[in-house]
Amino acid sequence: AQKVTQAQTEISVVEKEDVTLDCVYETRDTTYYLFWYKQPPSGELVFLIRRNSFDEQNEISGRYSWNFQKSTSSFNFTITASQVVDSAVYFCALSETQGGSEKLVFGKGTKLTVNP
Amino acid sequence: DAGVTQSPTHLIKTRGQHVTLRCSPISGHKSVSWYQQVLGQGPQFIFQYYEKEERGRGNFPDRFSARQFPNYSSELNVNALLLGDSALYLCASSITGTYGYTFGSGTRLTVV
Repeated sequence: AQKVTQAQTEISVVEKEDVTLDCVYETRDTTYYLFWYKQPPSGELVFLIRRNSFDEQNEISGRYSWNFQKSTSSFNFTITASQVVDSAVYFCALSETQGGSEKLVFGKGTKLTVNP
Repeated sequence: DAGVTQSPTHLIKTRGQHVTLRCSPISGHKSVSWYQQVLGQGPQFIFQYYEKEERGRGNFPDRFSARQFPNYSSELNVNALLLGDSALYLCASSITGTYGYTFGSGTRLTVV
């Protein structure tokens, strides 16, 4: 079965520090998708990125960057020069397709607090 | 364009009661999925519907049921509520799933 592990339960940093959120996954599928979502206190899951298992290129979007390493089954997320508005719970998720069903398997999340 | 809308936003129910949660997907999205998020945990898959048919079901008891209507909106029903059903219930819509899921703000259910 698919599994996503986010070993860091909580991280606290001071504004402008860089921070990396770790994500390790397990799957037997050869084709899969990895996602990162941000959940602010309001509760809505905000989509950040989707990465195809065949695309191992790192991606940068503004202050956000993602490092996908298939060899270590990791999909880590780095925020550069963190800001208070980055404070939220971040979830890594893995797609699972089985018998026509498509679902996301989520990690337990990492709560990031950015202090001024 | 409107995002995924869920109603109600908050709900308090008593043990043993029944509850119906509603979700309207993004226009053009034919797949709706439901997730349960207990405090401090990641969301857990409950159901997926595509073109009004159930495509998948997570590891939840038969007290949980859902359906999708011709306009692709969906309802999640939970019977005989237990204290442990207290959670944030999230609805997500997608075109096929692999293009990414857009989540609503959720319904926060409290069972007392």
